[in-house]
Amino acid sequence: TQLLEQSPQFLSIQEGENLTVYCNSSSVFSSLQWYRQEPGEGPVLLVTVVTGGEVKKLKRLTFQFGDARKDSSLHITAAQPGDTGLYLCAGANSGGGADGLTFGKGTHLIIQP
Amino acid sequence: DAGITQSPRHKVTETGTPVTLRCHQTENHRYMYWYRQDPGHGLRLIHYSYGVKDTDKGEVSDGYSVSRSKTEDFLLTLESATSSQTSVYFCAIFKGQGTSGYTFGSGTRLTVV
Repeated sequence: TQLLEQSPQFLSIQEGENLTVYCNSSSVFSSLQWYRQEPGEGPVLLVTVVTGGEVKKLKRLTFQFGDARKDSSLHITAAQPGDTGLYLCAGANSGGGADGLTFGKGTHLIIQP
Repeated sequence: DAGITQSPRHKVTETGTPVTLRCHQTENHRYMYWYRQDPGHGLRLIHYSYGVKDTDKGEVSDGYSVSRSKTEDFLLTLESATSSQTSVYFCAIFKGQGTSGYTFGSGTRLTVV
């Protein structure tokens, strides 16, 4: 069974601070996805990283896929209250996830004004 | 929104009764999934489908069955509900392209009393 370990589980910081969320595994994934989930809703895809060492930016969010495709990180610069939510990483075995994704347990992020 | 509707949104049922949750999509995507989300466990795959009448088991399939008689509908049935099946259930679709990720429904909160 493949596992994805996310850290930290909970993070509460002040508006304007920077933060990094980590997603680690002993398994290799063909791609890794990051989702954000708000209360009462389903997860929403933020980004997919496919190539080892790949870095993608989405405004103030920077995503990195490890060289060995076993780990990933999400860095948020100058966090804002609107960034509050549950952040999930998910790994795909093949075909982008056609046979299912393995999810981490998530990071609960609270940005205080 | 990719046109995924889950019904019902909330349900309370008694132990031992059968329950069916419905997922409906409007875009004719081939791949559909059922996940459950629980505190401390994250999202776990129950069953998935790769076409009409083509389904496979996920990580936590015991006590659940699925059916897909039409492309647009994917049904999840709890044959005899137990308290351990109290959870939030999410349906998702996958467009089949490597970086497209999953699109999730808004979830069904099921309570078994």
